[in-house]
Amino acid sequence: DARVTQTPRHKVTEMGQEVTMRCQPILGHNTVFWYRQTMMQGLELLAYFRNRAPLDDSGMPKDRFSAEMPDATLATLKIQPSEPRDSAVYFCASGFRVTGNTIYFGEGSWLTVV
Amino acid sequence: GIQVEQSPPDLILQEGANSTLRCNFSDSVNNLQWFHQNPWGQLINLFYIPSGTKQNGRLSATTVATERYSLLYISSSQTTDSGVYFCAGAAGGYQKVTFGTGTKLQVIP
Repeated sequence: DARVTQTPRHKVTEMGQEVTMRCQPILGHNTVFWYRQTMMQGLELLAYFRNRAPLDDSGMPKDRFSAEMPDATLATLKIQPSEPRDSAVYFCASGFRVTGNTIYFGEGSWLTVV
Repeated sequence: GIQVEQSPPDLILQEGANSTLRCNFSDSVNNLQWFHQNPWGQLINLFYIPSGTKQNGRLSATTVATERYSLLYISSSQTTDSGVYFCAGAAGGYQKVTFGTGTKLQVIP
């Protein structure tokens, strides 16, 4: 059963620490999205990639967030240094040829920064 | 990017009732999807429907692309339908998929 896999599922960290979230897209999918969900802002698009190249990261705070795809099977989202306002659920989603196909979400990484 | 508006923001239904959720887009979209987020936070695909009508069991969706809206129909609602329903769309060549703010549905027995 193909699915998007995210790790860690839950993370509690102290303010100032580095946080790395990982995503394994569905095999064969060439488009990967990172979303952040909070009660106040809903689902915000942080960044997305096609064929491992970043197409848009305008939703991401550049000073502390970075997103990469080291290879086709791994996408990473890094926060350094983390702040309490980064507490949220971070979702990864993948799709193939977004026009004409749906995107599939992982179960999310629940981040709490204290 | 496009703007996505959903209505109503909240909805309470008696089990067995029907409902219609609406999604409006600021621009023409060539990718439109409906998702259900269950109480455990999982986002589940319901429909990929850039135009036309689709049905899946008690759920159906209609998109009128020329008028920039989509509707999700839930018939004979069940308590398991509770959660948040999102629509999401993308326009243009880069396919930046933007989500609406969701409709929170509670189905009571």
